[in-house]
Order: sequence, then structure tokens, then C-alpha cells
Amino acid sequence: DAGVIQSPRHEVTEMGQEVTLRCKLISGHNSLFWYRQTMMRGLELLIYFNNNVPIDDSGMPEDRFSAKMPNASFSTLKIQPSEPRDSAVYFCASSLGIGGVRYFGPGTRLTVL
Amino acid sequence: AQSVTQPDIHITVSEGASLELRCNYSYGATPYLFWYVQSPGQGLQLLLKYFSGDTLVQGIKGFEAEFKRSQSSFNLRKPSVHWSDAAEYFCAVGLDNNNDMRFGAGTRLTVKP
Repeated sequence: DAGVIQSPRHEVTEMGQEVTLRCKLISGHNSLFWYRQTMMRGLELLIYFNNNVPIDDSGMPEDRFSAKMPNASFSTLKIQPSEPRDSAVYFCASSLGIGGVRYFGPGTRLTVL
Repeated sequence: AQSVTQPDIHITVSEGASLELRCNYSYGATPYLFWYVQSPGQGLQLLLKYFSGDTLVQGIKGFEAEFKRSQSSFNLRKPSVHWSDAAEYFCAVGLDNNNDMRFGAGTRLTVKP
């Protein structure tokens, strides 16, 4: 299996631009988690889905952030408009069920200038 | 409050020396326990996990961890460290049948030649 796939691996954009991060789950997994990692705050859970349904989005920092699962194997995390403080590494992870072991993708390093 | 603590922010060991990374948790019941490793620029890779049963768990890359209920600990060990083990190590606990997963702040391991 290819594991969790994320794209792009690196994104550099200017403040105010829209950013879309993409994630493909491991085949057969039905739970999807978006995390953000920064030096100051460590690893933070932003939102997670089970069977395409958002379960808990309490970690999403602001309304500028939104996430979707248009189908069972794919998710997007969108930031609009982006701000410099959004600069971080964004990881997605998938699992078989919410309580299953979480497998992480390689991450997207986002830099907002 | 439930939490997971990694007391050591940074550890340096010589190649070939033994290693122990500490992890303590605060939770009323026995959680699910995990260790992940993050190499520079990479995602989190699962090293090992404990759900139940034998309290000494073997993982990949020669790592093991021991769950000690009396000490609320799940320390990671390796008898002989290799230079390629230099990375950041995260302990994680899964609460509520792993529906709620909490990560420690991480321990950065440096390996001296």
C-alpha cells in the first residue's frame, strides 16, 4: 500500500491567497484526521471525519479554515484567506475507525509570506 | 486533566549506546499507548503500540517499550542506537478506546558519532 498521500509537499504563497491541501487515505480506511504542527504548539488536531462525516472540528482555528471529504478516499483542507501565522506543517492521518491506529502522511509544509 | 508528558525535550547519546525515552500519562483508566518517530521533513511513523496483554511491546527498528501501570509510564528503549535513529520521538495516548488521541511534545534525539 502506498500509505497516506499528501499534496503538495511544499507550498509557498502570499498572504491573502487561498491554499488547498490534499490528502488521500489508505485504501480501506474510513477515518481521516487533519493535524497542524508548529514549533510553538506542537501537534494539534484540527478536524476529523468518520465515514466522510465531520465529527469534531473544534480544533479548527478560525472560519478561514475549512475541510471536506468529497468521497471516501480523499480530503481537502482549505485556508482562505491565508495569513503568515498559518505557516506550519499540515499532516493528515487515516485509520480504520476512529479508534484505529492512525497512519500519517508525509505532510505539507506551508509558508505564507 | 488527561495528559501525556515527555520530560526530556532533547537527548544526546553516542552511537552504540543504549537509549531510553520517557513518557508518562495522566488518565484514570489504561489508555492505548503509542510511540511515533518523525525524521526531519517526514511524517510520523508508528514504531509500536500497546493496547492490552504483554506489557513489553516490540516495535520496528529494534525499539521496544514497556507499559508500567504503577508508574503510568510507557518508556521507549533501544539497546544500541544507530546514527539513523536521530529524529524526533512522540509518545501518544489514546483515550476512550482511542477515540481521543493525545500527543506528547516530543523528544529530539541526537546521536553522536
